[in-house]
Amino acid sequence: AQSVTQLDSQVPVFEEAPVELRCNYSSSVSVYLFWYVQYPNQGLQLLLKYLSGSTLVKGINGFEAEFNKSQTSFHLRKPSVHISDTAEYFCAVRDTGRRALTFGSGTRLQVQP
Amino acid sequence: GAVVSQHPSRVICKSGTSVKIECRSLDFQATTMFWYRQFPKQSLMLMATSNEGSKATYEQGVEKDKFLINHASLTLSTLTVTSAHPEDSSFYICSARGDRDFTEAFFGQGTRLTVV
Repeated sequence: AQSVTQLDSQVPVFEEAPVELRCNYSSSVSVYLFWYVQYPNQGLQLLLKYLSGSTLVKGINGFEAEFNKSQTSFHLRKPSVHISDTAEYFCAVRDTGRRALTFGSGTRLQVQP
Repeated sequence: GAVVSQHPSRVICKSGTSVKIECRSLDFQATTMFWYRQFPKQSLMLMATSNEGSKATYEQGVEKDKFLINHASLTLSTLTVTSAHPEDSSFYICSARGDRDFTEAFFGQGTRLTVV
């Protein structure tokens, strides 16, 4: 069984400030890790994914995430946020055998001017 | 990336009626499709997994007779909410995975169902 914990339900931040959205996971097997963004009343858009190799993964819209196996974390970062980054962000995991994703509870990023 | 189209985006129906939601993969063959449900301000909960031509596998607690899933072709899956009740009101999202990349699933735009 797998689980994903997103410790922060909401993260308020000022425009152009850096941000980190935290994600920790639990799994007894190797996993793939994902970050998705959801705008109101829309589906999910993939920001980035970690499959293997380099632990620092760069995604779209200037986001990046670092896989830390020892801490079982996959935190999402952006050095300078924009108002348009205001959305819900979901961390998800999938083990290499199971087909469906397990999602965290989501983090609402609120970028203020 | 690949495109998954979900229709309708919003639907309002009367209690007791049935509603069908379609999920289409537009530029790839979706060997596996997933249906999720999302309550307000909550995460996505997997309802069922379907493979083309096979019966869907439902998650524990999901009524298979209430949420009928059909995956008759490699580009189309449907979710039918039968005899809908107000508690079925939710945001439903489909996701599709193809046979070329097993690592990523692509999501539809979601369907906001309101049962009155």
